[in-house]
Amino acid sequence: KNEVEQSPQNLTAQEGEFITINCSYSVGISALHWLQQHPGGGIVSLFMLSSGKKKHGRLIATINIQEKHSSLHITASHPRDSAVYICAVKSGTDKLIFGTGTRLQVFP
Amino acid sequence: DAGITQSPRHKVTETGTPVTLRCHQTENHRYMYWYRQDPGHGLRLIHYSYGVKDTDKGEVSDGYSVSRSKTEDFLLTLESATSSQTSVYFCAIQGGPSYEQYFGPGTRLTVT
Repeated sequence: KNEVEQSPQNLTAQEGEFITINCSYSVGISALHWLQQHPGGGIVSLFMLSSGKKKHGRLIATINIQEKHSSLHITASHPRDSAVYICAVKSGTDKLIFGTGTRLQVFP
Repeated sequence: DAGITQSPRHKVTETGTPVTLRCHQTENHRYMYWYRQDPGHGLRLIHYSYGVKDTDKGEVSDGYSVSRSKTEDFLLTLESATSSQTSVYFCAIQGGPSYEQYFGPGTRLTVT
C-alpha cells in the first residue's frame, strides 16, 4: 500500500463545475504539497500547508491532520485547469513522498 | 520562477553508454534532488544533496550516481544506461521561508 493515495485517478468535468481531488496519507507529516503538471510540462507548486486551509484564486486546499486527509478544490473549472494534480507529503526528513497523481480533464 | 534549469532537455542514447544530466540553480539553496517520473508511479527520488559534496541515496538509486562540487550544480550520471532508465528526470531545489520544493523543467531521456 502506498503511503500517499490520491482519488480519483482520473476525473473529467464540464467547464464551470466544482471539482474535488482527495489525498490520504498513512505517515506522520510536517507539511503537504499540492503540485500541478500540465501535459508535457513542468511541475508547479500550488500550495504547501500544514494545517487548515489555503486559497489562491479559484483553488482551495484543505488539510485535516487528525484524519490524515487533504482535499484540493477547484471552483468554476476551466479547460486550462486540465492537468495532473499531485499530492506530496513531507514526513520527518527533507524528502517528499508523492502520490501517483490525479489526471483532470475539463471540457468546454 | 525559481532559478532552476536542466540540461539537456531531451536525449536519446544507446544501451551501455554513460549519460550525465545537469541541474543548475541560481537560488543558492542547500538542498537539491533528482527524481524520475514514470507512468503509473509517482515521482521517485533517485538521490539528493544537502550541501556541497554531501549526498545521499533515494529509493531508486541503483545504476545512478551524483556529484555536487558547487552549490549551484547537481549532476546525475547513469553509469551504463539501460532501457529501464528511459524516463523523465526532474531536478528540484528546496528553500525559501517555507522550505518548498521547486522543480526544474525536466529532461526526457530515451535509452534505445
